[in-house]
Amino acid sequence: RKEVEQDPGPFNVPEGATVAFNCTYSNSASQSFFWYRQDCRKEPKLLMSVYSSGNEDGRFTAQLNRASQYISLLIRDSKLSDSATYLCVAMDSSYKLIFGSGTRLLVRP
Amino acid sequence: NAGVTQTPKFRILKIGQSMTLQCTQDMNHNYMYWYRQDPGMGLKLIYYSVGAGITDKGEVPNGYNVSRSTTEDFPLRLELAAPSQTSVYFCASQPLSSGGSYEQYFGPGTRLTVT
Repeated sequence: RKEVEQDPGPFNVPEGATVAFNCTYSNSASQSFFWYRQDCRKEPKLLMSVYSSGNEDGRFTAQLNRASQYISLLIRDSKLSDSATYLCVAMDSSYKLIFGSGTRLLVRP
Repeated sequence: NAGVTQTPKFRILKIGQSMTLQCTQDMNHNYMYWYRQDPGMGLKLIYYSVGAGITDKGEVPNGYNVSRSTTEDFPLRLELAAPSQTSVYFCASQPLSSGGSYEQYFGPGTRLTVT
């Protein structure tokens, strides 16, 4: 079983739609979680961190459910520029990052 | 600040050849990492370093070596290139935790093909 699992997608949605990604992690000792965004053929960049019960940043909301060991990312009012791959990341007990394989999002006009 | 820089951007190697992937950061970060990313996959940790003179293996270290003689530089060495090492290699750096932030800053990557 992979340590961090994501639906690879692609999620193909129209502009303005709301889309949600889920991610599960297997190591219950993981303390911190993140969503990174990766554009095609580019390096990953931090989108947002997910601490305790989750947090919101503009159109993006991240939630953490420790009991079920899953993290979610909600994107409201999708823009064309949101098209990218979203990587779910867990930090292990020695502060190393464990990456999921990513979920690809395509936002169409 | 240039951030994290990597050279070269692209490289084609023949089986058995050697090369060094360069990584430099100018943010005075203590932690540095090397990852590889195969098509459609997440990043896998090859090696990491918590400071100059200290390195440790990650998830997939076989076939690679690293050194960290300065805070700024963290080169990755491939001694005997194999087709299985065809991948995109990312270097990243991270400061000591500051206010609970564990953000890693990535370089633009090196695309390596071994034929």
